[in-house]
Amino acid sequence: QSALTQPRSVSASPGQSVTISCTGTASDVGGFDYVSWYQQHPNKAPRLLIYGVTQRPSGVPDRFSASKSGNSASLTISGLQPEDEADYYCSSFTVSFTWVFGGGTKLTVL
Amino acid sequence: EVQLVESGGGLVQPGRALRLSCAASGFTFEDVAMHWVRQAPGKGLEWVAGVTWNSVSSDYADSVKGRFTISRDNAKNSLYLQMNSLRPEDTALYYCVKTYGDRTFDHWGLGALVTVSS
Repeated sequence: QSALTQPRSVSASPGQSVTISCTGTASDVGGFDYVSWYQQHPNKAPRLLIYGVTQRPSGVPDRFSASKSGNSASLTISGLQPEDEADYYCSSFTVSFTWVFGGGTKLTVL
Repeated sequence: EVQLVESGGGLVQPGRALRLSCAASGFTFEDVAMHWVRQAPGKGLEWVAGVTWNSVSSDYADSVKGRFTISRDNAKNSLYLQMNSLRPEDTALYYCVKTYGDRTFDHWGLGALVTVSS
């Protein structure tokens, strides 16, 4: 049950776009369309941003989009806003009927 | 409005046991799988355990298998996590999590802090 691989940090200026990658294996990310992305502000519970690789729950701005190719997934945030500064986590269902998270990416809005 | 309220956290000595509870409301609890996810201080998220809507199946992370047991009482809209043989590395904020379509975590509680220390 190795964690999915995410960059530790990314940064960009307000109004710009940023992409966060999430790399797994054929046993998790590559094997299922069950990749999700979560946003977590300091001392807050995580919030679901994306599920089923590309689907946004109601209430999530369309500035947040995601995709998957092979064993890797990515989250793109366009038109960055100061409130987007947070930690972002990917997750995936696995062949073992378990779930695995990425190590998390800290987004800094410069 | 979906609400998940964890309780039962606290300070416990290594090797001892603790039971977490999660009171759910605002949705049909008996229809959905439920999970526990934890976050050690300053660290990332770690999936701990999950149980199907009817308790027929449960799964565990390797790090807790054989020590933790997840269970639920649909009549009480409650989820539980029995944690035995606790270790210092189990110190974390434990989140009760609701699933959507059994394949994503769409609502999270505020968490219950468990500290394992002598």
